[in-house]
Amino acid sequence: KAGVTQTPRYLIKTRGQQVTLSCSPISGHRSVSWYQQTPGQGLQFLFEYFSETQRNKGNFPGRFSGRQFSNSRSEMNVSTLELGDSALYLCASSGGTAGENTIYFGEGSWLTVV
Amino acid sequence: AQSVTQLGSHVSVSEGALVLLRCNYSSSVPPYLFWYVQYPNQGLQLLLKYTTGATLVKGINGFEAEFKKSETSFHLTKPSAHMSDAAEYFCAASFYTGGFKTIFGAGTRLFVKA
Repeated sequence: KAGVTQTPRYLIKTRGQQVTLSCSPISGHRSVSWYQQTPGQGLQFLFEYFSETQRNKGNFPGRFSGRQFSNSRSEMNVSTLELGDSALYLCASSGGTAGENTIYFGEGSWLTVV
Repeated sequence: AQSVTQLGSHVSVSEGALVLLRCNYSSSVPPYLFWYVQYPNQGLQLLLKYTTGATLVKGINGFEAEFKKSETSFHLTKPSAHMSDAAEYFCAASFYTGGFKTIFGAGTRLFVKA
């Protein structure tokens, strides 16, 4: 069974640009959540989607947004990039036989803003 | 408010020695508890989880954790450290808030000395 797949793995963007990251959950998982990981702030929860609806949201500015498609795949978008947005963005999915309380992570997308 | 606290941002042990990584949680409702491991440049991998039932939980790679409700703790142990255990370990708690929300401790980096 394939795990959570995130693309791209690495990317470099310029300040002011926008970026879209993609996540394909484990087959059968309907919940997808996103986290930002930085050395200083640790793992910070961004948002969670279930059946194309945002169910939970963390404390991030409106520049950070996401969506989920009918096949449970999810994207997150960051507009007007700032240097501080440089981070590892992790997608996680849950559901299926393991239950919604257990999340499984992808390898992450490394974003560098210059 | 719910929180997860990991005691010690860095722990160093000798190869073959006991590994003990401490985690305490704060919650007004019973949480589901997890330990994840992160190797360099990778996502988080689930080590073990406690949902209900037996309070001593065994995970992968010889790790285990014991849920102690009276102490609100979920410490991770391994009887004998191996060089390959060197990584960052995250304790996490999942709470149902109209959907499960998972929060993480700050992480503990484990160093294993030869």
